[in-house]
Amino acid sequence: SQKIEQNSEALNIQEGKTATLTCNYTNYSPAYLQWYRQDPGRGPVFLLLIRENEKEKRKERLKVTFDTTLKQSLFHITASQPADSATYLCALYNQGGKLIFGQGTELSVKP
Amino acid sequence: GAGVSQTPSNKVTEKGKYVELRCDPISGHTALYWYRQSLGQGPEFLIYFQGTGAADDSGLPNDRFFAVRPEGSVSTLKIQRTERGDSAVYLCASSLSGANEQFFGPGTRLTVL
Repeated sequence: SQKIEQNSEALNIQEGKTATLTCNYTNYSPAYLQWYRQDPGRGPVFLLLIRENEKEKRKERLKVTFDTTLKQSLFHITASQPADSATYLCALYNQGGKLIFGQGTELSVKP
Repeated sequence: GAGVSQTPSNKVTEKGKYVELRCDPISGHTALYWYRQSLGQGPEFLIYFQGTGAADDSGLPNDRFFAVRPEGSVSTLKIQRTERGDSAVYLCASSLSGANEQFFGPGTRLTVL
């Protein structure tokens, strides 16, 4: 069956370090993958989109990689700040418009 | 307004009652989505509209759930004979078309007692 998995345990890191979050999937052939940030009590906010023919995408302190052979995406936040603390969701777009989300990974950046 | 809005922000109802949840998408966005999110989980797809028509309703859990978007803008998610298991945050999102980033509203927290 189709499955998307993100680190289920919360990730705690020190301010200034690089946070790396993982998204693995099985039995999908997504056209592209998106990453969202969600704060408590709010809806997800779009961060980055990476297409199946792209290996890497960057936006300011964010970097996403997409390996369709390994069926994995990595999401990096460099020079992390306490304000980066949130839950990060990966989502696969396959066809027809709908997104399939992972369960999210909670990131906590300590000062 | 600039973003997606949802009303009410909170809804408490009793088992067996009927509820309606409303979504106002960003003006000009043709695609509209409904998701349901339980605590500690990611959003779960329910239904996707392109214009006035439901392009994909494969995520609706059963026939108690129904959604409409009669004029291609505002959408209403309707739940009949609510059950305690329907308790969740219902999120609405819109996008320019079906293959773009989605803009989410703040959600409606539904509690069925």
